[in-house]
Amino acid sequence: DAKTTQPNSMESNEEEPVHLPCNHSTISGTDYIHWYRQLPSQGPEYVIHGLTSNVNNRMASLAIAEDRKSSTLILHRATLRDAAVYYCIPRDAGNMLTFGGGTRLMVKP
Amino acid sequence: GAGVSQTPSNKVTEKGKYVELRCDPISGHTALYWYRQSLGQGPEFLIYFQGTGAADDSGLPNDRFFAVRPEGSVSTLKIQRTERGDSAVYLCASSLQPGGNNSPLHFGNGTRLTVT
Repeated sequence: DAKTTQPNSMESNEEEPVHLPCNHSTISGTDYIHWYRQLPSQGPEYVIHGLTSNVNNRMASLAIAEDRKSSTLILHRATLRDAAVYYCIPRDAGNMLTFGGGTRLMVKP
Repeated sequence: GAGVSQTPSNKVTEKGKYVELRCDPISGHTALYWYRQSLGQGPEFLIYFQGTGAADDSGLPNDRFFAVRPEGSVSTLKIQRTERGDSAVYLCASSLQPGGNNSPLHFGNGTRLTVT
């Protein structure tokens, strides 16, 4: 499994954009980059995933570097409900997700 | 629609007892996963089912842990002779596609197991 590096924690103001970085320099060419988040006392929640091209959905945008060694999850307008631990996970064909420590996002009103 | 359901939501048991944790996946999802999460840590993979069979059980910590999925839907994680170190949140997830890495996992809210 590719190793990932994420900041332990980040802070944002409500209604401002948030850019959550992830380094995955050992990613293989067929690994999809998945992002999940986990709110307090809940199971992880799927956010977004991509392979090479940038991706958008109703929750967030995913910007993938051209060399695929890093990616950035973008929340366009943070709300208090976005406070969670965000996990970046390069997923290989072995099927399971391997979680690291993630980034704890705190949102200030 | 209904998501992944796990029961019970909380379980307290005494050291040495046997426990069963149940997972009802999303209808039609053929892949099912069990994870364990200790306080302050990310979820840790235990076992993955494709249909009725365990495709990968490499994450089970020892032979006290066992999981079944006899009809390819509901799964039960069984822990024998529980130890205090087994205390954690046990998470279940399911996904639509059995293979590949392009299919999101949908998680339940877990069963919090406390071994006293």
